[in-house]
Amino acid sequence: DGGITQSPKYLFRKEGQNVTLSCEQNLNHDAMYWYRQDPGQGLRLIYYSQIVNDFQKGDIAEGYSVSREKKESFPLTVTSAQKNPTAFYLCASSIPGRIGSPLHFGNGTRLTVT
Amino acid sequence: AQTVTQSQPEMSVQEAETVTLSCTYDTSENNYYLFWYKQPPSRQMILVIRQEAYKQQNATENRFSVNFQKAAKSFSLKISDSQLGDTAMYFCAFFSGYSTLTFGKGTMLLVSP
Repeated sequence: DGGITQSPKYLFRKEGQNVTLSCEQNLNHDAMYWYRQDPGQGLRLIYYSQIVNDFQKGDIAEGYSVSREKKESFPLTVTSAQKNPTAFYLCASSIPGRIGSPLHFGNGTRLTVT
Repeated sequence: AQTVTQSQPEMSVQEAETVTLSCTYDTSENNYYLFWYKQPPSRQMILVIRQEAYKQQNATENRFSVNFQKAAKSFSLKISDSQLGDTAMYFCAFFSGYSTLTFGKGTMLLVSP
């Protein structure tokens, strides 16, 4: 079955450490996205990529970095510069250029930094 | 920039009853798409329904239907015959060809027996 896999489901890190969240999709989608979800805040866009080797900042990119070396993979690194990294992170993909194409989401990663 | 507003942080309904979740948005564009996503306790985001702005007919998906009022920039979701499995956070979202998907802050719906 096609889908998006995020791993791990729960991640714990010490403050000051960088951490990378994995996102892999086998839907053959060109576009991939990272969202952050906090209680009462909805989903906020961190980074997105419309094509391999290209990505753009979203609304809250500070303290995060991404890479898009393969179509299937879009890892997100939460750096020590991110002031409030504890959150639920969702990865998504879609077919770009097809207006109205819905996002397909992974199951998310809950990151806790102490 | 587009904004999406969900004015009801929480709502509750009894099983088998009907409930309406509200959503308003702000845009200067004429052609766009609107979505409702559902996030149950498992936290998996699930597409509920989609509406194309140029279509006057309201979208329906089984027990889920929308009331799309383009002039008023309103996009409410009606859930008929509510079921316990409908308990979830519901997000309204906006998309146009000139932006990425913008989400509202969500409405937590609790369906009780």
